[in-house]
Amino acid sequence: EAGVTQSPRYAVLQEGQAVSFWCDPISGHDTLYWYQQPRDQGPQLLVYFRDEAVIDNSQLPSDRFSAVRPKGTNSTLKIQSAKQGDTATYLCASRRTESNERLFFGHGTKLSVL
Amino acid sequence: AEKVIQVWSTASRQEGEELTLDCSYETSQVLYHLFWYKHLLSGEMVFLIRQTSSSTAKERSGRYSVVFQKSLKSISLIISALQPDDSGKYFCALWELRATGGNNKLTFGQGTVLSVIP
Repeated sequence: EAGVTQSPRYAVLQEGQAVSFWCDPISGHDTLYWYQQPRDQGPQLLVYFRDEAVIDNSQLPSDRFSAVRPKGTNSTLKIQSAKQGDTATYLCASRRTESNERLFFGHGTKLSVL
Repeated sequence: AEKVIQVWSTASRQEGEELTLDCSYETSQVLYHLFWYKHLLSGEMVFLIRQTSSSTAKERSGRYSVVFQKSLKSISLIISALQPDDSGKYFCALWELRATGGNNKLTFGQGTVLSVIP
């Protein structure tokens, strides 16, 4: 079974630039999560979907961040006009709702905003 | 307020020793799960072990085991016979099970970086 796939692995931006992260969850996993992990901190939830619906985006900075999962499979997280404070690893995770609550994580995208 | 607290940010042990990593948490839910994950240098977050609040069993998986003190809202991860490959960052995480839908998400602690000296 293929794991959660994320791309790119790394991104380096100047402040003000935009970037998109892509996530392909494990096949059959209906729930998908995006976490932001600043250096030396634990992952913090940004947004999560069940199928194509956003369930919780309360921690997503809506002025510059957006996330979609149009067909309930792959997902894209986008940052418009990145700031230095966005420097972090962005982790995608997925799970099958009716199974136990274990999340399966991708390798993450490491973002540096200069 | 922080829901999951890992007091020690770093730890160091010799190969072959045993290590205990502590975690405390806050929840008003009766049913919840506690997870331990290891964050590898590659970026992958690897599941280690899970403890369910309603279980009295002492969970164990290979060299990993937990000590769950529900009344103290505390859970410790014990890693026996440490190996250099055990070096990495360990996270404790809480999953609250809510009776009426609600958010199903993992809340992580800050993590503890472990160094195992050969």
